[in-house]
Amino acid sequence: EPEVTQTPSHQVTQMGQEVILRCVPISNHLYFYWYRQILGQKVEFLVSFYNNEISEKSEIFDDQFSVERPDGSNFTLKIRSTKLEDSAMYFCASSGQGMGTQYFGPGTRLLVL
Amino acid sequence: GIQVEQSPPDLILQEGANSTLRCNFSDSVNNLQWFHQNPWGQLINLFYIPSGTKQNGRLSATTVATERYSLLYISSSQTTDSGVYFCAVRRGGGADGLTFGKGTHLIIQP
Repeated sequence: EPEVTQTPSHQVTQMGQEVILRCVPISNHLYFYWYRQILGQKVEFLVSFYNNEISEKSEIFDDQFSVERPDGSNFTLKIRSTKLEDSAMYFCASSGQGMGTQYFGPGTRLLVL
Repeated sequence: GIQVEQSPPDLILQEGANSTLRCNFSDSVNNLQWFHQNPWGQLINLFYIPSGTKQNGRLSATTVATERYSLLYISSSQTTDSGVYFCAVRRGGGADGLTFGKGTHLIIQP
């Protein structure tokens, strides 16, 4: 069964550094999403991406975040200058159609020191 | 925005017991999903169920969209069922993100 993959599984970085989290959505899917989950809290929506542009974004997704689909398979989340409070699990998801299931990747656990 | 409330927040059961988890939401939705977050943090899709009833093995789910709630039933619990169960909903189309509840933390004791 096709699945969403994410790399790396874990990343440790210093405050102020840039990080790029990578995702490979399911191949024929059209909608892509990033979510985050701070330890012990609920999962929160960050941004959705369709037709090579941002469709929706939450108030969490400020100017330090950006997303890109650099080629036909990858979908990336960049955090320009990481803060301690960016430490979280970041999930990528994709869906094939507007009303369908969103399939989640295994997540990248980011720790900012 | 839409509010999602899950109950109970915590549940401890013995192996073999049955359980019912509830998800209430504040507005009409066109997408409702149930997830199981395992101890490694992975979100496992259980059901896509904006309305109606579905069953998958020992798990089943029912969503009554007109009354804005969904129920997840787990029968004959096993220790591997332990983890956090999340309900997530979406009001709009494909570009809208899911809004998650805070989850139910389920512990199944041997």
